[in-house]
Amino acid sequence: EAGVTQSPTHLIKTRGQQATLRCSPISGHTSVYWYQQALGLGLQFLLWYDEGEERNRGNFPPRFSGRQFPNYSSELNVNALELEDSALYLCASSSYRDTGTFFGQGTRLTVV
Amino acid sequence: GEDVEQSLFLSVREGDSSVINCTYTDSSSTYLYWYKQEPGAGLQLLTYIFSNMDMKQDQRLTVLLNKKDKHLSLRIADTQTGDSAIYFCAESSGGYQKVTFGIGTKLQVIP
Repeated sequence: EAGVTQSPTHLIKTRGQQATLRCSPISGHTSVYWYQQALGLGLQFLLWYDEGEERNRGNFPPRFSGRQFPNYSSELNVNALELEDSALYLCASSSYRDTGTFFGQGTRLTVV
Repeated sequence: GEDVEQSLFLSVREGDSSVINCTYTDSSSTYLYWYKQEPGAGLQLLTYIFSNMDMKQDQRLTVLLNKKDKHLSLRIADTQTGDSAIYFCAESSGGYQKVTFGIGTKLQVIP
Protein backbone atom coordinates (compact mmCIF):
# COMPACT_ATOMS: atom_id res chain seq x y z
CA GLU A 1 0.00 0.00 0.00
CA ALA A 2 1.37 3.40 -0.97
CA GLY A 3 2.14 5.87 1.78
CA VAL A 4 1.65 9.60 1.67
CA THR A 5 3.20 10.95 -1.52
CA GLN A 6 4.27 14.52 -2.15
CA SER A 7 5.39 16.31 -5.28
CA PRO A 8 7.65 17.79 -6.27
CA THR A 9 10.48 16.68 -3.99
CA HIS A 10 12.37 19.90 -4.62
CA LEU A 11 11.17 23.29 -5.80
CA ILE A 12 13.17 26.44 -6.42
CA LYS A 13 11.35 29.73 -6.81
CA THR A 14 12.28 33.37 -6.79
CA ARG A 15 10.97 35.88 -4.30
CA GLY A 16 7.48 37.12 -5.18
CA GLN A 17 6.53 34.03 -7.18
CA GLN A 18 3.89 31.47 -6.25
CA ALA A 19 4.55 27.86 -5.27
CA THR A 20 2.15 24.94 -5.47
CA LEU A 21 2.85 21.78 -3.52
CA ARG A 22 0.83 18.59 -3.87
CA CYS A 23 0.00 15.72 -1.58
CA SER A 24 -1.76 12.39 -1.99
CA PRO A 25 -2.86 10.80 1.29
CA ILE A 26 -2.84 7.15 2.17
CA SER A 27 -5.78 5.41 0.53
CA GLY A 28 -8.80 5.67 2.79
CA HIS A 29 -7.49 8.64 4.74
CA THR A 30 -9.73 11.68 4.58
CA SER A 31 -7.68 14.13 6.63
CA VAL A 32 -4.64 15.92 5.26
CA TYR A 33 -2.33 18.11 7.29
CA TRP A 34 0.40 20.48 6.16
CA TYR A 35 3.44 21.34 8.27
CA GLN A 36 6.37 23.63 7.69
CA GLN A 37 9.80 22.61 8.92
CA ALA A 38 12.09 25.59 8.67
CA LEU A 39 15.69 25.35 9.80
CA GLY A 40 15.93 25.60 13.57
CA LEU A 41 12.20 26.11 14.06
CA GLY A 42 10.87 22.59 14.36
CA LEU A 43 7.57 21.54 12.87
CA GLN A 44 4.96 24.27 12.58
CA PHE A 45 1.36 23.34 11.87
CA LEU A 46 0.01 25.05 8.77
CA LEU A 47 -3.35 23.66 7.69
CA TRP A 48 -5.71 20.76 8.25
CA TYR A 49 -8.25 19.61 5.66
CA ASP A 50 -10.87 16.99 6.19
CA GLU A 51 -13.61 15.92 3.78
CA GLY A 52 -12.80 18.86 1.56
CA GLU A 53 -13.12 21.49 4.28
CA GLU A 54 -10.47 23.51 6.09
CA ARG A 55 -10.76 22.41 9.75
CA ASN A 56 -7.92 24.28 11.38
CA ARG A 57 -5.21 26.72 10.51
CA GLY A 58 -1.91 27.53 12.13
CA ASN A 59 -0.41 30.94 12.74
CA PHE A 60 0.56 31.71 9.15
CA PRO A 61 -0.37 34.64 6.90
CA PRO A 62 -3.20 34.34 4.34
CA ARG A 63 -0.75 33.96 1.48
CA PHE A 64 -0.49 30.36 2.67
CA SER A 65 -3.60 28.63 1.43
CA GLY A 66 -4.69 25.29 0.14
CA ARG A 67 -7.50 23.04 -0.75
CA GLN A 68 -8.55 19.42 -0.66
CA PHE A 69 -10.01 17.71 -3.68
CA PRO A 70 -12.87 15.16 -3.81
CA ASN A 71 -10.30 12.35 -3.98
CA TYR A 72 -8.80 13.73 -0.71
CA SER A 73 -5.55 14.82 -2.31
CA SER A 74 -4.47 18.31 -1.38
CA GLU A 75 -2.61 21.33 -2.64
CA LEU A 76 -0.70 23.91 -0.65
CA ASN A 77 -0.27 27.28 -2.33
CA VAL A 78 2.16 29.91 -1.16
CA ASN A 79 1.78 33.30 -2.82
CA ALA A 80 4.21 36.21 -2.88
CA LEU A 81 7.08 34.00 -1.77
CA GLU A 82 9.54 35.38 0.74
CA LEU A 83 13.04 34.13 1.48
CA GLU A 84 11.85 32.96 4.92
CA ASP A 85 9.42 30.56 3.25
CA SER A 86 12.36 28.33 2.38
CA ALA A 87 11.67 25.14 4.30
CA LEU A 88 10.70 21.49 4.10
CA TYR A 89 6.92 21.25 3.71
CA LEU A 90 5.51 18.03 5.07
CA CYS A 91 2.12 16.60 4.32
CA ALA A 92 0.49 14.03 6.56
CA SER A 93 -2.74 12.08 6.50
CA SER A 94 -4.91 10.30 8.99
CA SER A 95 -8.24 8.59 9.31
CA TYR A 96 -10.62 8.08 12.19
CA ARG A 97 -10.04 4.36 11.66
CA ASP A 98 -6.29 4.58 12.17
CA THR A 99 -4.23 5.68 15.10
CA GLY A 100 -1.40 7.89 14.10
CA THR A 101 -0.67 10.51 11.54
CA PHE A 102 1.54 9.40 8.68
CA PHE A 103 3.89 11.68 6.84
CA GLY A 104 5.18 12.00 3.32
CA GLN A 105 8.82 12.65 2.47
CA GLY A 106 8.25 16.35 2.04
CA THR A 107 8.83 19.04 -0.56
CA ARG A 108 11.96 21.12 -0.09
CA LEU A 109 11.07 24.67 -1.16
CA THR A 110 13.94 27.06 -1.74
CA VAL A 111 13.21 30.72 -2.35
CA VAL A 112 16.04 32.70 -3.89
CA GLY B 1 -2.53 26.26 24.30
CA GLU B 2 -0.63 23.14 23.44
CA ASP B 3 3.10 23.06 23.91
CA VAL B 4 5.57 20.18 23.65
CA GLU B 5 9.12 20.54 24.89
CA GLN B 6 12.12 18.31 24.49
CA SER B 7 15.88 18.68 24.72
CA LEU B 8 17.71 19.45 21.51
CA PHE B 9 20.56 16.99 21.58
CA LEU B 10 21.59 13.61 22.98
CA SER B 11 24.81 11.71 22.40
CA VAL B 12 25.24 8.04 23.32
CA ARG B 13 27.70 5.25 22.59
CA GLU B 14 26.72 2.39 20.34
CA GLY B 15 25.27 -0.43 22.41
CA ASP B 16 24.15 1.81 25.26
CA SER B 17 20.54 2.74 25.96
CA SER B 18 19.21 6.12 24.86
CA VAL B 19 16.49 7.94 26.74
CA ILE B 20 14.79 10.89 25.10
CA ASN B 21 12.49 12.94 27.30
CA CYS B 22 9.53 15.16 26.51
CA THR B 23 7.01 17.23 28.43
CA TYR B 24 3.68 18.49 27.20
CA THR B 25 1.13 20.91 28.56
CA ASP B 26 -2.22 19.92 27.06
CA SER B 27 -4.12 17.97 29.69
CA SER B 28 -6.58 16.79 27.05
CA SER B 29 -3.84 14.98 25.14
CA THR B 30 -5.09 11.53 24.29
CA TYR B 31 -2.39 10.24 21.99
CA LEU B 32 1.33 10.69 22.50
CA TYR B 33 3.64 9.88 19.62
CA TRP B 34 7.28 9.43 18.82
CA TYR B 35 8.40 10.13 15.27
CA LYS B 36 11.84 9.62 13.72
CA GLN B 37 13.29 11.81 10.99
CA GLU B 38 16.43 10.75 9.19
CA PRO B 39 18.43 13.36 7.27
CA GLY B 40 16.59 14.66 4.23
CA ALA B 41 13.56 12.47 4.88
CA GLY B 42 10.02 12.86 6.12
CA LEU B 43 8.77 11.73 9.48
CA GLN B 44 8.34 8.08 10.34
CA LEU B 45 5.87 7.12 13.05
CA LEU B 46 7.87 4.99 15.49
CA THR B 47 5.34 4.31 18.18
CA TYR B 48 2.46 5.84 20.08
CA ILE B 49 0.79 5.45 23.45
CA PHE B 50 -2.70 6.23 24.65
CA SER B 51 -2.98 8.51 27.64
CA ASN B 52 -4.56 5.75 29.74
CA MET B 53 -1.40 3.64 29.46
CA ASP B 54 1.78 3.92 31.52
CA MET B 55 4.12 1.96 29.35
CA LYS B 56 4.39 0.44 25.92
CA GLN B 57 7.18 -1.80 24.66
CA ASP B 58 7.89 -2.54 21.03
CA GLN B 59 11.10 -4.50 20.41
CA ARG B 60 13.97 -2.15 21.33
CA LEU B 61 11.63 0.76 22.06
CA THR B 62 10.02 1.46 25.43
CA VAL B 63 7.68 4.39 25.93
CA LEU B 64 6.93 5.57 29.45
CA LEU B 65 4.14 8.02 30.22
CA ASN B 66 3.67 9.89 33.48
CA LYS B 67 0.33 11.56 32.89
CA LYS B 68 0.36 13.37 36.24
CA ASP B 69 3.61 15.14 35.36
CA LYS B 70 2.82 15.23 31.62
CA HIS B 71 6.14 13.56 30.92
CA LEU B 72 6.85 11.16 28.10
CA SER B 73 10.06 9.28 27.42
CA LEU B 74 11.40 7.04 24.69
CA ARG B 75 14.04 4.48 25.59
CA ILE B 76 16.00 2.81 22.80
CA ALA B 77 17.82 -0.28 23.98
CA ASP B 78 21.13 -1.33 22.40
CA THR B 79 21.35 1.88 20.38
CA GLN B 80 22.82 1.43 16.91
CA THR B 81 24.41 3.92 14.51
CA GLY B 82 21.31 3.56 12.35
CA ASP B 83 19.30 5.08 15.19
CA SER B 84 21.04 8.42 14.61
CA ALA B 85 18.23 10.78 13.65
CA ILE B 86 15.98 13.49 15.03
CA TYR B 87 13.24 12.20 17.31
CA PHE B 88 10.03 14.17 17.65
CA CYS B 89 7.67 13.91 20.55
CA ALA B 90 4.09 14.79 19.59
CA GLU B 91 0.62 14.87 21.06
CA SER B 92 -2.94 15.14 19.88
CA SER B 93 -6.28 15.28 21.60
CA GLY B 94 -7.65 12.60 19.34
CA GLY B 95 -6.62 10.14 16.68
CA TYR B 96 -8.23 12.36 14.12
CA GLN B 97 -6.89 15.69 15.25
CA LYS B 98 -4.03 18.03 14.60
CA VAL B 99 -0.75 16.78 16.02
CA THR B 100 1.48 19.20 17.94
CA PHE B 101 5.18 18.51 17.79
CA GLY B 102 8.18 19.26 19.92
CA ILE B 103 11.23 20.80 18.29
CA GLY B 104 12.95 17.42 18.03
CA THR B 105 15.90 15.80 19.78
CA LYS B 106 18.91 15.03 17.65
CA LEU B 107 20.32 11.65 18.68
CA GLN B 108 23.97 11.11 17.85
CA VAL B 109 25.27 7.55 18.21
CA ILE B 110 29.03 7.29 18.61
CA PRO B 111 30.54 4.05 17.27
